[in-house]
Amino acid sequence: GAGVSQSPSNKVTEKGKDVELRCDPISGHTALYWYRQSLGQGLEFLIYFQGNSAPDKSGLPSDRFSAERTGGSVSTLTIQRTQQEDSAVYLCASSFTGSPLHFGNGTRLTVT
Amino acid sequence: SQQGEEDPQALSIQEGENATMNCSYKTSINNLQWYRQNSGRGLVHLILIRSNEREKHSGRLRVTLDTSKKSSSLLITASRAADTASYFCATVGASGTYKYIFGTGTRLKVLA
Repeated sequence: GAGVSQSPSNKVTEKGKDVELRCDPISGHTALYWYRQSLGQGLEFLIYFQGNSAPDKSGLPSDRFSAERTGGSVSTLTIQRTQQEDSAVYLCASSFTGSPLHFGNGTRLTVT
Repeated sequence: SQQGEEDPQALSIQEGENATMNCSYKTSINNLQWYRQNSGRGLVHLILIRSNEREKHSGRLRVTLDTSKKSSSLLITASRAADTASYFCATVGASGTYKYIFGTGTRLKVLA
């Protein structure tokens, strides 16, 4: 597709369950970013990838959060044993290295 | 927190008026970018200003950068109802990494 695609667009899960969020970046983009946005708040940096490697994982809130990127393309953000405070919109963005970011529309995660 | 700060947090103006929002950041930067977010959507890149630039224009947008004060401002002239959105600044550090740090955002409402 022409833009960054995220799936699912909405996810409701029970506390304690694991969830996987997917991001399909724009074809050819070398960099991929994950951010978290709580209601009405700014963007909290989670992790970014350069190719398949993650130079900076410093924003991952805890060891329940992990992310991978394969083939320099699709990325998956996994949250294990979800907690209510994980509820937020998770935004993915991609870019050519050093260029402005192109964002997807996000996955709204609700943990009940 | 590494997050930049923006003020005001919220701004309400009449159509045709100018809107000014400010961004402050904490570290040396390579460039600073402004993004717009419509409700429920991802962010869209508006304009980029490099650390050696002081002012930049794009259509009705004017951005200034003062690296000595670690601050930037975004001016939207002759605002329209369609400009209603949240606006975020994002900085790219001068350290050679491409980690984007976003500000807390300004919610702009333009009244018709």
